[in-house]
Order: sequence, then structure tokens, then C-alpha cells
Amino acid sequence: KQEVTQIPAALSVPEGENLVLNCSFTDSAIYNLQWFRQDPGKGLTSLLLIQSSQREQTSGRLNASLDKSSGRSTLYIAASQPGDSATYLCAVKAWVSGSRLTFGEGTQLTVNP
Amino acid sequence: NAGVTQTPKFQVLKTGQSMTLQCAQDMNHEYMSWYRQDPGMGLRLIHYSVGAGITDQGEVPNGYNVSRSTTEDFPLRLLSAAPSQTSVYFCASSYSTGVNEQYFGPGTRLTVT
Repeated sequence: KQEVTQIPAALSVPEGENLVLNCSFTDSAIYNLQWFRQDPGKGLTSLLLIQSSQREQTSGRLNASLDKSSGRSTLYIAASQPGDSATYLCAVKAWVSGSRLTFGEGTQLTVNP
Repeated sequence: NAGVTQTPKFQVLKTGQSMTLQCAQDMNHEYMSWYRQDPGMGLRLIHYSVGAGITDQGEVPNGYNVSRSTTEDFPLRLLSAAPSQTSVYFCASSYSTGVNEQYFGPGTRLTVT
């Protein structure tokens, strides 16, 4: 059974720092991995989608990498801003489960002004 | 496009009552799914559909029914609400199964007393 773990569970940083959020998964047979952002009381906003054949994706100040063989992904946020404060979730879509996403429990990020 | 919409945003039910959570998308997506989000458990798949007329169970289907009569709509029915169904419910859609990005609705916060 696919399991997804996100470390750390919570992170507090001063504004301007570069930071890395980690995601690991147990079954490397995946279609893709998706990073989401969730603001308190809100839905999930897709940030980046990495296909299994890709190594990384970039969008603005965000860069996500994927190492399937080791079962790891990282989300790099450059020059963090208070508006980046949210919970970040990673989810994997595995071959055997159709389009089912298996989620980690998220990293709660606080960026202090 | 409105994307994925959900109604209602909030709902309080008494134990034993039934209700339907509505989900609609206007992106002509074939794949739709329902997740519930609980503290410490992450998001878990309830039911999903790969197209009109086709539905299947996810990880936690007990107590819930779905149907998919049109491409646009995917309602989730609670047959006899229980306090264990207190949760936040998210509907998601993607163009098809496999490699496509999934889009989430804003969620319905349900409390069963």
C-alpha cells in the first residue's frame, strides 16, 4: 500500500528565506506527483505536477524535484513571503490505483514578516 | 470556467439524517472523485468515477453513495449520517485517468451531531 510522508510537519521561517519541503513515498511505481497548497478553511490549489518521466518542474519561485528511485520529492520555495504561509500537501498517483491520489499529511508553513 | 464547484459550503446534520453534497465541473473532465479530510488522517478517497454511468469505491466508501448521470455532476449522498462522518469533503476532477492534473473544489464542511 502506498504511503506518503511529509517532513517537517510544521515550519516557521523569517521572510526572505529559501526553504525546502520534503515528501517521501513507499512505492516508486507512480504516474505522477502533485504539490498542492491549502489555505486555512479553503480547498486545494495545485502548484506543480511532475510526471514520472520528469525530474523537476518550476513555476515562479517554486521548484519541485522528483527522484522516483529513492521515493522522494522536494518543493523548493525561493525568497519566501508571508503570503506563502499555508499548508503544503504532496500527493502521488500510482499505477495500480487508477487516478487515486495518495496524500501526505502536509507541512504547515508560516513565514514571519 | 468556474472550475469545480461544491454546495453547500457548510452543513450541520443530526445523526440519522440523509443529505446530498453537490459537485459540478465545467471543464468537460471525465474523471471525478470525492475525498474526505480529517485531522491526522490526511485526505482519503471515498468514491470515484471515470465517466458518466461508471462509479467505483475508494478507500473509505461505507455510508456513502454516488452516481454519475452526466459528465458535469457527481453528487455524494450520505444515507444515514453518523458523527464519524464529520469531516471536510472535497470533490476533484481531471481530464482523464492517468497523467492529468487534478483540480479540487472549495470543500464542504459537514458536522454531524
